[in-house]
Parts: sequence; C-alpha cells; structure tokens
Amino acid sequence: QTVVTQEPSLTVSPGGTVTLTCASSTGAVTSGYYPNWFQQKPGQAPRALIFSTTNKHSWTPARFSGSLLGGKAALTLSGVQPEDEAEYYCLLYYDNSYFFGTGTKVTVL
Amino acid sequence: EVQLVESGGGLVQPGGSQRLSCAASGFTFSNYWMHWVRQAPGKGLVWLSRIIGDGSFLSYADSVKGRFTISRDNTKNTVDLQMNSLRVEDTGVYYCVRVTVGSSSVEVDYWGQGTLVTVSS
Repeated sequence: QTVVTQEPSLTVSPGGTVTLTCASSTGAVTSGYYPNWFQQKPGQAPRALIFSTTNKHSWTPARFSGSLLGGKAALTLSGVQPEDEAEYYCLLYYDNSYFFGTGTKVTVL
Repeated sequence: EVQLVESGGGLVQPGGSQRLSCAASGFTFSNYWMHWVRQAPGKGLVWLSRIIGDGSFLSYADSVKGRFTISRDNTKNTVDLQMNSLRVEDTGVYYCVRVTVGSSSVEVDYWGQGTLVTVSS
C-alpha cells in the first residue's frame, strides 16, 4: 500500500518562509503524480490551493507556490500571514488511485 | 457559484448500511469526475472512490472495495455513496469533491461541507 509522508509539524514566524514536502513510498514524486495541495482549518472543509504540481486556483493567494524538490512535491509559503496557520495536505495520483499525505500542521508564531 | 451539498449522514450500527448523497449545482455536472473522501475525527484525509462524468468508469480504495458503491445521476446532478457492512473505523466526515482530469492535469477544486457518519453500537 502506497504511503505518502509529510512533516508532522512546522513552525514559522510571521513574514517568514516555510516549505512543506510530500514524499511517496513508491519512489520519487514526479509531475505524473499530479500533486495537489489543500489547506484545512479546524471545523472547516479542506480548501484547494495548488493542482498538478505548480498551478494555482483563482482564489489561491500569491504567497503559496508549488514545485518538485529533491524527489518530493513541495508547497512553499512566502511572507507567511497569521491566517496561514492550518493543516496542509498533499494528494498524489498513482496506479489508478489517489493517496493523501499524512498532513503538516503549520504554526505561525 | 459551484456548490456541493452532502446529506445522509447519521448514526448506524456496525454491519449496517448508509447511503450518502451529494447534490451539485453551478456547473455542468456531467463534465466532471466526482470523488468521495473521508476524514475520521482528529485524523487525516482518506480518498475513497471516484466516478467519471458519464458514469462508465469508477474505482475504489482497497479499504472500501466490495463494501462501498459509488453512482451518479446526471439528470439530477447527484452523486451517491452506498456504504454496506459498515465498521467502526468507517466513522468520519464524508466529503464530496469535484475533479477535472485533463491530458496532463488533475485539478481538485471544490469540496462540499461534509456529512458525519458515526458507526457505533
């Protein structure tokens, strides 16, 4: 069974930059895994941020960006705002199925 | 405005059945894949199932294969999830999700607000 691993937690100062990663037990993550990223705040449904590695939705703030980094999918938050404190999940497509990452709790402190 | 509204959640006993429904509006429903995703209390997201726009292709996560059945009605703009042989570990919030699949793109965009299913005796 495919396992997708993210950092359990990261802390960043307001105005700072933080990078979250998404690794697959199947090997290096490529664009063919079509990485998607989501933000979820307590009591709310997830909100889509990034699709197919680097693409932003019309509502995605400019400070969020997606990439591939060292064999993993990555989500970078630049100029972090207090409202960015949330849980972040990646999603990968592989072998005709989809797999969510374990999630990263981002604390803005 | 795109809207996805789930319904059908509630309390069900282990071994029982429950049918969830998702009503879609604000877009051409038959053009999109629709998925179901679950989140157990305090836990992460788990992908469950998907169905193509015309209903001709569908797939499931191993954890629900043989127990859950996804279906859609493009005349009513609804996608359903029939859940049988429910287990305690099926407890969670169930989300309906819209997905666009292109030749070189997978775009997950809109989520419903979710419906809670509790499997307990």
